[in-house]
Order: sequence, then structure tokens, then C-alpha cells
Amino acid sequence: SAVISQKPSRDICQRGTSLTIQCQVDSQVTMMFWYRQQPGQSLTLIATANQGSEATYESGFVIDKFPISRPNLTFSTLTVSNMSPEDSSIYLCSVGDQHQPQHFGDGTRLSIL
Amino acid sequence: DQQVKQNSPSLSVQEGRISILNCDYTNSMFDYFLWYKKYPAEGPTFLISISSIKDKNEDGRFTVFLNKSAKHLSLHIVPSQPGDSAVYFCAAGIVVGSSNTGKLIFGQGTTLQVKP
Repeated sequence: SAVISQKPSRDICQRGTSLTIQCQVDSQVTMMFWYRQQPGQSLTLIATANQGSEATYESGFVIDKFPISRPNLTFSTLTVSNMSPEDSSIYLCSVGDQHQPQHFGDGTRLSIL
Repeated sequence: DQQVKQNSPSLSVQEGRISILNCDYTNSMFDYFLWYKKYPAEGPTFLISISSIKDKNEDGRFTVFLNKSAKHLSLHIVPSQPGDSAVYFCAAGIVVGSSNTGKLIFGQGTTLQVKP
């Protein structure tokens, strides 16, 4: 399976600031996704990162708050904008192909003060 | 609306015995189901999956059972080992036409502790 690297692995940020999380895959993949896991909660899909076009956001998530880029088939970024304590979560990148299960990176643990 | 539910937040079993983790769902349109295992500070690791047209899939010590009429699936681990101690998530996905959208809906997770 693909090797997925997420950076940073963790960060502590001030409210009102923004943080960009990177996801790098060691091979080309069709699909890349961004999930959030809030404390004690399940994983929730934020958006599907589309190569060369705008991401597809799930209900409750908007581009202004979570801008996503995917310039090629091996890389994507998620930005968490204008952060508040409610954004404290683990953010996870996952990758998949048509008939293969998704594989996840180790996540970015984000704490907002 | 929680479409995928894991009603047991935790489970403790003795090493060598069977672990049974349960998952219920409400959406009959799900086409496939997966189980992931998650250790602290790591991302979820894929364990096993099952198509909605099957009722059982087995891979080594792991077997997943699907009961479509009850909208229920379970993961059996036999024999359980201390290294199996982790959080287990069930997830469900939908295929649209001939394309797998990749969208997964996860349950809340069950923490399994296997005691030596």
C-alpha cells in the first residue's frame, strides 16, 4: 500500500491564525481525502481533494474555512483558517483507488489556545 | 443522524479468547463495509472489508459477518492477542454507478483491550 506522510504531526496554534497541513504520497493515487476526528468522536469526511480542480466539500464544511489544494496526483494540502478552540482535532489525509480500501496517514494533532 | 453506530465504546477480553466487535447501520444503500484498527498517535489501518452482496469474509484471525436484514455487521478476532489492543472503527461506503466515490462514513469506534 502507499506510504503517506503528513506534516506537521502536531502543532499548537493561537486562535485566529491559520495552519496548512501537507499530505505527500509515495505513488500516484486517484483519490485523496481529508478527515477530521474531534476529541472522543468518529472520523468525519471534510472533503475530497480533486486533482486540478476545486475540492468537493461535505455538508457542514466550506472552502473559506478549509481551503484545499491538490496540484498533482501525489500531494495535497489542507488549510485550517481563522482557527478557534473548536478546531482542535486530529486531521487525517487518506488515499484510495477505485476498488481499493482507503489508507490513512498518521494525522496532524492540532490544538488551539 | 448517525448512519453507522458502534454502541459499545469498549470491550475487554482475555488473550486467546474471541473478540466480537459490533456495528449497526441505517442506510440500506451502503455497498461495502470496512474495519480499521487505530493505535494511539497513528492513523487508522485497514483490516478487512466486505461487499454488501456477501455475508462473510475471512482473513487469517479476522472474520467479518454481515447481516443485511438486521443492518448489522461484526468483526470476530480469534484468537485475540495483546497486540490487538486498539480502537476499532467500522466504516461504510457507497458506489455511485460504476465509480467508487470513496466517501466513507465511520462509526464512533470501540476500544478493545486484550489482557495477557
